[in-house]
Amino acid sequence: DAGVIQSPRHEVTEMGQEVTLRCKPISGHNSLFWYRQTMMRGLELLIYFNNNVPIDDSGMPEDRFSAKMPNASFSTLKIQPSEPRDSAVYFCASSSPRRKNEQFFGPGTRLTVL
Amino acid sequence: KQEVTQIPAALSVPEGENLVLNCSFTDSAIYNLQWFRQDPGKGLTSLLLIQSSQREQTSGRLNASLDKSSGRSTLYIAASQPGDSATYLCAVRGTGFQKLVFGTGTRLLVSP
Repeated sequence: DAGVIQSPRHEVTEMGQEVTLRCKPISGHNSLFWYRQTMMRGLELLIYFNNNVPIDDSGMPEDRFSAKMPNASFSTLKIQPSEPRDSAVYFCASSSPRRKNEQFFGPGTRLTVL
Repeated sequence: KQEVTQIPAALSVPEGENLVLNCSFTDSAIYNLQWFRQDPGKGLTSLLLIQSSQREQTSGRLNASLDKSSGRSTLYIAASQPGDSATYLCAVRGTGFQKLVFGTGTRLLVSP
């Protein structure tokens, strides 16, 4: 059973550039979550999808952030334009009611914006 | 608004000791509670999930308990090993929505 897959694992970009992070949830999971982790703020939920539909995006910091889930096996988180304060580790997680909604996390994407 | 607190923030013990990590939450109306471990530079690994109707869960040397009424959970690690060194996070899910609220973690160091 493959876990949650994220790409890229590391991303270094310059301020103002567009960044796209990708996630493949565990097969059969119907909920997908994007989190951001920083030393200052810990783990924060950015957005949550259920059956490919965004349910709560109240954690998205601002309009520069957008997320999509075009199908059950793929999601993207886009930052445009990126800023140095966006530097963080971004995690994707998925869950299924058939597994008690236990959330399983991907390895994360470490984003550095110069 | 749910708030999750973990004490202590850091813990250093010699190998072989039994230890307890604490997690407290302010709103007792929870759906479940998860314990994770995170190794430096890595993602989160789910250790145990306790449903709101359960009192405890066990996996190997790990035992997690839940007391909803007092808003507390503990993670008990028996016979600690250097490989247990990591940051341990607890996270609480409220009813009706799948959002997990995370504590700030306990950084554990087990020395040989």
